[in-house]
Amino acid sequence: AQSVTQLDSHVSVSEGTPVLLRCNYSSSYSPSLFWYVQHPNKGLQLLLKYTSAATLVKGINGFEAEFKKSETSFHLTKPSAHMSDAAEYFCVVSDSWGKLQFGAGTQVVVTP
Amino acid sequence: DAEITQSPRHKITETGRQVTLACHQTWNHNNMFWYRQDLGHGLRLIHYSYGVHDTNKGEVSDGYSVSRSNTEDLPLTLESAASSQTSVYFCASSDLGLAGENEQFFGPGTRLTVL
Repeated sequence: AQSVTQLDSHVSVSEGTPVLLRCNYSSSYSPSLFWYVQHPNKGLQLLLKYTSAATLVKGINGFEAEFKKSETSFHLTKPSAHMSDAAEYFCVVSDSWGKLQFGAGTQVVVTP
Repeated sequence: DAEITQSPRHKITETGRQVTLACHQTWNHNNMFWYRQDLGHGLRLIHYSYGVHDTNKGEVSDGYSVSRSNTEDLPLTLESAASSQTSVYFCASSDLGLAGENEQFFGPGTRLTVL
């Protein structure tokens, strides 16, 4: 069985400051991990994915995430937040058959 | 461009009615999935299919059914709608091969209200 825990339901940051969204996972084997973003009233868009290659993964819009097996973590970061980053972010783990398990989501608010 | 579409985008129905939500993808993907999104739960898997005539139950399948008669479509049916099925429904598809590593492409969602 596998599961995902997003440690913060809401994160508020000022524009231009770093963003950190925390995710811990549980999996009985080496997982594939994803971060998806959902802007208001929109579908989901892939930010980045980890599939057992490099542990530091770069995604779109300046986001990156680091896979740490010893800590079972896959935290998402961005050095400088933009107003357009306001959205909900989901950490997701996949089994080998492509079934996804979603975290509960982190709502990001960016203030001017 | 390839895409995945859902219809209707918004639906209001009454308790006990049968409702079908459509999902159509032009990616030619083998794998298709239905999720529901509720506050505080992220997305939860309802049903999924790995190819024509293949269907499988997900985490929250009670009260829902799907059928896969071609590659492009996976309609989701609520046999007898209940207020607990008020939610936003997302369809997704992904390629065959290393399924666990493949990105899922999501439709825009259907907002269903059951009164």
